[in-house]
Order: sequence, then C-alpha cells, then structure tokens
Amino acid sequence: GESVGLHLPTLSVQEGDNSIINCAYSNSASDYFIWYKQESGKGPQFIIDIRSNMDKRQGQRVTVLLNKTVKHLSLQIAATQPGDSAVYFCAENSGGTSYGKLTFGQGTILTVHP
Amino acid sequence: IAGITQAPTSQILAAGRRMTLRCTQDMRHNAMYWYRQDLGLGLRLIHYSNTAGTTGKGEVPDGYSVSRANTDDFPLTLASAVPSQTSVYFCASKRDILTGELFFGEGSRLTVL
Repeated sequence: GESVGLHLPTLSVQEGDNSIINCAYSNSASDYFIWYKQESGKGPQFIIDIRSNMDKRQGQRVTVLLNKTVKHLSLQIAATQPGDSAVYFCAENSGGTSYGKLTFGQGTILTVHP
Repeated sequence: IAGITQAPTSQILAAGRRMTLRCTQDMRHNAMYWYRQDLGLGLRLIHYSNTAGTTGKGEVPDGYSVSRANTDDFPLTLASAVPSQTSVYFCASKRDILTGELFFGEGSRLTVL
C-alpha cells in the first residue's frame, strides 16, 4: 500500500490477473474518497469514488472497498490489462463540506506484464 | 475537445525570475486548483478557487500567488523562483465544491536552476 517516503510501492501482475491496490488514509473525519490513475507524462484521471456511508462501490472492472474501522481503502481491478499500467493514487476529502481540498497519497506503481 | 489547457508544458527557469503558469478550462467549472507533484510526496494543493473572484491557500502556498478574474482562467505565479519549486504543476477543475471529481490538465514541468 501507499506510504510516506521517496520510493513508491509497486505491484507487478500478469495480464488477466486481478490487481489489488491498497491505501491507508489518515483522517478519521474524511467522508469521501477517490481513486485516480496517472499514466506517464499525463495528468491524473478519475477512476471511481466512494462516500463514507458506503463500504463498497463497483464500476467497470473496478471495485473500491472502504474499511473505516482501520482507515483503509482498496482498489480492485479485474482482468488487468497492459493499459492499466500506471501510477494509482487514492485521495481523501478532509476539508469538511468542501470537496475541493483533497489529500492525495503518494501513489502505487502498477505494472502489467503481457 | 473540452478540458483543461496548461502552458507552458515545460520550462527551465533561472532562480530569482518571475514565472506565470497558465491554466484555462472550457467546461465552465466553478472550482479550480493548482497542485504540485513531487516523487514520493504525491500531489499537494498550492492554491484553490471555489468560484471566480475568490481564492484560497492550500497546503503549500508559500512562494506562489494566484488570481481568478473570470471562470475560465486560473494563472499561478512564482514571484521569484527558487530551486525547491522545481516540480510538475497540475491545474485541475470541477463543476463546484459539492462534487468530487477533479479534472486535471496535462501538467507543466518546471525546472528552477
């Protein structure tokens, strides 16, 4: 999972496998969480979000799980493809009613091998 | 294609020089943001604007200023650049502060020597 430091966590998987990327968040008052994907040389792109009144949300090939008890968030990618190779960031809203002040994690590098 | 345009995409700058990074969006989004991205530190919020005419400080505002004269433009200015401001800068926007999804530009890579 993501952690403070200069070396990003990495995850290597084979094409077709399922991937799980983990994130520990810091603020127990955070009420909204987002996962972003960032490909090399590009800006982050929204993948999926979840509010704190939910513990699971599914999208196309992706599922986000939220465990508020241990302040843990995970992103599951089904049938991972080479195009999924990127850096994945979790972000939490810790700015109260303003959803603009997102706090981002350091990121996890996902590499998918054909 | 609607989105966020940042300029320049890359710039090398001497320390002490003034630099403005430009950001324009054509989605009529009310809220706009500037982040810097450094390896191992993720994305950190510099300044934000919830709506045209208002701005606020983020996590790392020192050495930067912004203005929001209209809905579309949100320039970021470094009054006197220092080497620690070497980074990749991302502008982002969203419809309003009650929604979560941020749309990001492609980034401006700034090197201060």
